[in-house]
Amino acid sequence: EPEVTQTPSHQVTQMGQEVILRCVPISNHLYFYWYRQILGQKVEFLVSFYNNEISEKSEIFDDQFSVERPDGSNFTLKIRSTKLEDSAMYFCASSPGTSGRARGDEQFFGPGTRLTVL
Amino acid sequence: AQKITQTQPGMFVQEKEAVTLDCTYDTSDPSYGLFWYKQPSSGEMIFLIYQGSYDQQNATEGRYSLNFQKARKSANLVISASQLGDSAMYFCAMRWENTGFQKLVFGTGTRLLVSP
Repeated sequence: EPEVTQTPSHQVTQMGQEVILRCVPISNHLYFYWYRQILGQKVEFLVSFYNNEISEKSEIFDDQFSVERPDGSNFTLKIRSTKLEDSAMYFCASSPGTSGRARGDEQFFGPGTRLTVL
Repeated sequence: AQKITQTQPGMFVQEKEAVTLDCTYDTSDPSYGLFWYKQPSSGEMIFLIYQGSYDQQNATEGRYSLNFQKARKSANLVISASQLGDSAMYFCAMRWENTGFQKLVFGTGTRLLVSP
């Protein structure tokens, strides 16, 4: 069964450093997403990406964040200068985007990358 | 404003019993979708069930069913015949048409513990 994969599973970095979180969405999916979950809290939407551009972003997704689909398979989240409060689990998700707006276009989540900023 | 509320921080159930996890939502958009995800201690998010706002029947997926009461704006998850492996966090989530059915908004979750 196809699945979303994410690397690394755990990333430790120093405050102020840049990190790149990598995701391989399910092939033939059209929509890609990043969410984050601070420990013990709810999952929060960061950004959605379609047709090689950001289609929506949350207020969390400020200028320190960027996303890219550098080739036909990878989808990356870059944090330019990490802060302590960026420590969280980051989930990548993808959806087919083909079942119509009123249908259950399920988002498939990856296993997450746990980011620890020291 | 669109909002998802899960009022039960934790629930306990005995193995083989049924349990209902509550979820209420608030939206003025007539077209929306409701989802339940399971998050075991390993951290991954596992899709369980989906209910569309125009669906006439309550959704069912194996031991999971969704008690959808549109007028009350509630979408409770019912797990029948609980198993030890059902112990996890459960999140209700929603998305709606005026954002193009893209982002999911999650509730705060309910931690379910199934005891032998």
